[in-house]
Amino acid sequence: ETGVTQTPRHLVMGMTNKKSLKCEQHLGHNAMYWYKQSAKKPLELMFVYSLEERVENNSVPSRFSPECPNSSHLFLHLHTLQPEDSALYLCASSQEGTRVGEKLFFGSGTQLSVL
Amino acid sequence: QKEVEQDPGPLSVPEGAIVSLNCTYSNSAFQYFMWYRQYSRKGPELLMYTYSSGNKEDGRFTAQVDKSSKYISLFIRDSQPSDSATYLCAMILRSTGGYNKLIFGAGTRLAVHP
Repeated sequence: ETGVTQTPRHLVMGMTNKKSLKCEQHLGHNAMYWYKQSAKKPLELMFVYSLEERVENNSVPSRFSPECPNSSHLFLHLHTLQPEDSALYLCASSQEGTRVGEKLFFGSGTQLSVL
Repeated sequence: QKEVEQDPGPLSVPEGAIVSLNCTYSNSAFQYFMWYRQYSRKGPELLMYTYSSGNKEDGRFTAQVDKSSKYISLFIRDSQPSDSATYLCAMILRSTGGYNKLIFGAGTRLAVHP
């Protein structure tokens, strides 16, 4: 089983839909992240949860709503998205508070298309 | 000015060539430097991790950091078709929230052809 699992792998939604992305990490880490990856742009950090508390909300529009019910699971709830939100959404985890906390482990991502 | 600059490529080389990938950065507060490799339809995976200026070698891969010039490089020797991927440089900034924040370059797409 891979360390960080994301579902679904692909998602197509209309602008009025509500959907959720799910991430699960099996590495025993205490921090989880959502990143957005658009073509030819750097990965954009969206949200960070450390010890299940949100510690970063990087000026993300309110149509993206994260949820972290425990240290192993992370959700990204989506509603009334715009076509420019189409991108690869990546989840990552790390072990904060240690030297290795600098190393992020990524899932395979959810490729989102908004019509 | 972007915090991290990376040429997006694409870079196309023949099998066996030496590949040089580079990033420049503007913030002298960056402390750790990494290279991630991302295959098509996959998430990035950590390839190399360095802290100090100088070279670090791992098999066919060498990471080089020059803090005085704010320049990092990744060299791939004897490149293989399986090295075809996008290579992302990343740098760590300690955030005011007390956790480590990774700043990524846009990635360089590499194609190694047989």
